[in-house]
Amino acid sequence: NAGVTQTPKFRVLKTGQSMTLLCAQDMNHEYMYWYRQDPGMGLRLIHYSVGEGTTAKGEVPDGYNVSRLKKQNFLLGLESAAPSQTSVYFCASSFSRGPLYGYTFGSGTRLTVV
Amino acid sequence: AQSVTQLGSHVSVSEGALVLLRCNYSSSVPPYLFWYVQYPNQGLQLLLKYTSAATLVKGINGFEAEFKKSETSFHLTKPSAHMSDAAEYFCAVSETGNQFYFGTGTSLTVIP
Repeated sequence: NAGVTQTPKFRVLKTGQSMTLLCAQDMNHEYMYWYRQDPGMGLRLIHYSVGEGTTAKGEVPDGYNVSRLKKQNFLLGLESAAPSQTSVYFCASSFSRGPLYGYTFGSGTRLTVV
Repeated sequence: AQSVTQLGSHVSVSEGALVLLRCNYSSSVPPYLFWYVQYPNQGLQLLLKYTSAATLVKGINGFEAEFKKSETSFHLTKPSAHMSDAAEYFCAVSETGNQFYFGTGTSLTVIP
């Protein structure tokens, strides 16, 4: 089925460990986004990409890196995890600028840093 | 600067009653506005969107929202709540289309 797939769905990391979250979409969307969702704070944009090979910072980019080597994939990296990065991470994609199309969201990755 | 305020982090309604979820926005230009719904352990799904066409926007599952520029509001309504409407609802604003700003969400409980 077409959509946005996030892997893994759950992960527990120790402080200082690194990991990569993978987002894959099969809808030929140009735009991809990484958000984090925290209780009482809604969703906050970490990084986004407007096309293959491009990335840009969002509201809360510190402590994260991203790459978009292939159009269908958008990777989010944590080089040295901290407890403050415990959150639910959502990837989203859109065909073009969001207002006309809205986002398609993945089902999320629940990350706990201990 | 863009921002969204959702009044009421928790709303409870009886099955069959009117649903009203409030959203006020701040934007320096005419904004694009959205409502998303999130069911437990799932991602967000688009309910409806306002993109400067009709001010009354109809979405899926019987929801609608009205853009009121004078009140800077985009409240979400549904005439009759159903048990399946229980979820978290997010209002979002965008000026450019590249970045969206989400509200903190409203959790809707439907009482049988």
